[in-house]
Amino acid sequence: AIRMTQSPSSLSATTGDRVTITCRASQGIGSYLAWYQQKPGRAPKLLIYGTSTLQSGVPSRFSGSGSGADFTLTISCLQSEDFATYYCQQYYSYPWTFGQGTKVEIK
Amino acid sequence: QVQLQESGPGLVKPSEALSLTCTVSGDSMSKYYWNWIRQPPGKGLEGIGYIYHSGTTNYNPSLESRVTISVDTSKNQFSLKLTSVTAADTAVYYCARSGAAGGRFDYWGQGTLVTVSS
Repeated sequence: AIRMTQSPSSLSATTGDRVTITCRASQGIGSYLAWYQQKPGRAPKLLIYGTSTLQSGVPSRFSGSGSGADFTLTISCLQSEDFATYYCQQYYSYPWTFGQGTKVEIK
Repeated sequence: QVQLQESGPGLVKPSEALSLTCTVSGDSMSKYYWNWIRQPPGKGLEGIGYIYHSGTTNYNPSLESRVTISVDTSKNQFSLKLTSVTAADTAVYYCARSGAAGGRFDYWGQGTLVTVSS
């Protein structure tokens, strides 16, 4: 199975900050990379797929980039509702696998 | 609006089987893949397997020997059976939809906590 490694595991930030989360795959996965946001007690929500395509309804302050094995999720101007845990997921080969998550906390 | 809803027992005894059903509303089950994903308390996400509306399945090799996913398109439902459970199977179980274009999960159920305990 392809292993997905996110960094950092957690970070503290302030509203208005620019936040970057990285995700590295154990092998190349093309552009088959998605990002999810999860808040406590809730199901994950799809934010980005195909590395950089925003899911319908997701604010434009979220963006994704990368290719091959290295990917990035950027939140350009952190809002209060963005404090959550973020997961990357590869769907290049089955079993589709997730990163361990990055928790974005209030500083 | 597509909605998914998990149902099933919240407590299962060790060595027994866990059975859950996901009811889909707001869309046909055709053209999509229907998935089970779990999340142990305080931990990350793990895909369990999926089924296509035709009945084709694919399971995570780490669970394959214990998992069966089935579908009943007449009821707009698909189900999970996980046998020989242990405490390590305690988790929130989610059902989710993924499209034919890839294994990204665009609609999720709210999740149901299943605890394995005697």
